[in-house]
Amino acid sequence: ETGVTQSPTHLIKTRGQQVTLRCSSQSGHNTVSWYQQALGQGPQFIFQYYREEENGRGNFPPRFSGLQFPNYSSELNVNALELDDSALYLCASSLTSGSQETQYFGPGTRLLVL
Amino acid sequence: AQSVTQLDSQVPVFEEAPVELRCNYSSSVSVYLFWYVQYPNQGLQLLLKYLSGSTLVKGINGFEAEFNKSQTSFHLRKPSVHISDTAEYFCASNNNAGNMLTFGGGTRLMVKP
Repeated sequence: ETGVTQSPTHLIKTRGQQVTLRCSSQSGHNTVSWYQQALGQGPQFIFQYYREEENGRGNFPPRFSGLQFPNYSSELNVNALELDDSALYLCASSLTSGSQETQYFGPGTRLLVL
Repeated sequence: AQSVTQLDSQVPVFEEAPVELRCNYSSSVSVYLFWYVQYPNQGLQLLLKYLSGSTLVKGINGFEAEFNKSQTSFHLRKPSVHISDTAEYFCASNNNAGNMLTFGGGTRLMVKP
């Protein structure tokens, strides 16, 4: 139990639609990272937010966007969904942004795009 | 750019046998290394991490890993596995800026009775 929660647990969308995934970080954690985990692969870094500002981005297009709120919650938004967006989306919170910080993962949201 | 390679996609082993899950990393800068475990339909749980100091790192559930700079490896070991250790294991490194975990492809540990 990491204290990081995500909603919803599962979601089905059709190609071209938009989706919002939500994450609640551990209290006191000012950094949240989002990862995409395709079936049978390791997680891929999407972006990180530190104190409500984007603090690094992986190789994902601009239709992947995010928000972080002062109450330790955050969102991942994906526009114009594509079939390849089907994956498990993981958020991870950490006390702060730093290379030695442990990231605590939520259980993930499984997105299926038809 | 940093990368992490897990050499075995699947490792079958009998209960109470020892196991080693291999991980190699590439990085031209200081590197911090992590092992995570993912049980079916769950998120990732930290097993252990190497930041600095002693190259032998002990983690939860009886796991340990050894950092080897000359071989750029961070292999995970357990002297005696249980059925409950059946899961996917991921090795990861953190870049100098600290804002991005790079994961390997994962190793599925299958413990058989």
